[in-house]
Amino acid sequence: DTGVSQDPRHKITKRGQNVTFRCDPISEHNRLYWYRQTLGQGPEFLTYFQNEAQLEKSRLLSDRFSAERPKGSFSTLEIQRTEQGDSAMYLCASSWTDAYEQYFGPGTRLTVT
Amino acid sequence: ILNVEQSPQSLHVQEGDSTNFTCSFPSSNFYALHWYRWETAKSPEALFVMTLNGDEKKKGRISATLNTKEGYSYLYIKGSQPEDSATYLCALGLNTGNQFYFGTGTSLTVIP
Repeated sequence: DTGVSQDPRHKITKRGQNVTFRCDPISEHNRLYWYRQTLGQGPEFLTYFQNEAQLEKSRLLSDRFSAERPKGSFSTLEIQRTEQGDSAMYLCASSWTDAYEQYFGPGTRLTVT
Repeated sequence: ILNVEQSPQSLHVQEGDSTNFTCSFPSSNFYALHWYRWETAKSPEALFVMTLNGDEKKKGRISATLNTKEGYSYLYIKGSQPEDSATYLCALGLNTGNQFYFGTGTSLTVIP
């Protein structure tokens, strides 16, 4: 297994457009996390899944954001009606339940113009 | 919101210099402290997971210590090399399997 992968690596979009990102976790991991890092900040938690169930959502995850993990494998994060404030690096991580470590992907950098 | 702080924000050192960074966190909220190295265009790479007060971990020229009672961890790099240039992130986990609370990172540049 080559680790956590994310697609695309970069996305430039115009304000108001919808975007979708994909994360493929390490195959045997049942937990999947999304974080967002804005300029000058550390990564901030958005949401996480245990298999296909979304167990927790941050207040940062406004109603324009939706995340899914339909079969408990890959996950998608969709942002509707993007705003300039959505410009950030979106990181995905995966882990086993009850494990200390989280393994991160390289991120998707979103630029909203 | 859990406040995890890192200092300094950025650091430039000459090749061969030794350096250290600090991560501080509320000592009353602790389960595990993680250090990651994040190079540009790559995935954050786990360096250490530390859980016990007084923990000391080492990987090559990099080592880390943990003081949970006073709420800080130090990361040391001995004899810095240009390939050590990266952002070093610390993250606090409150429980296994749950979200991390990250610091803002220390950006290290090692000048050849």
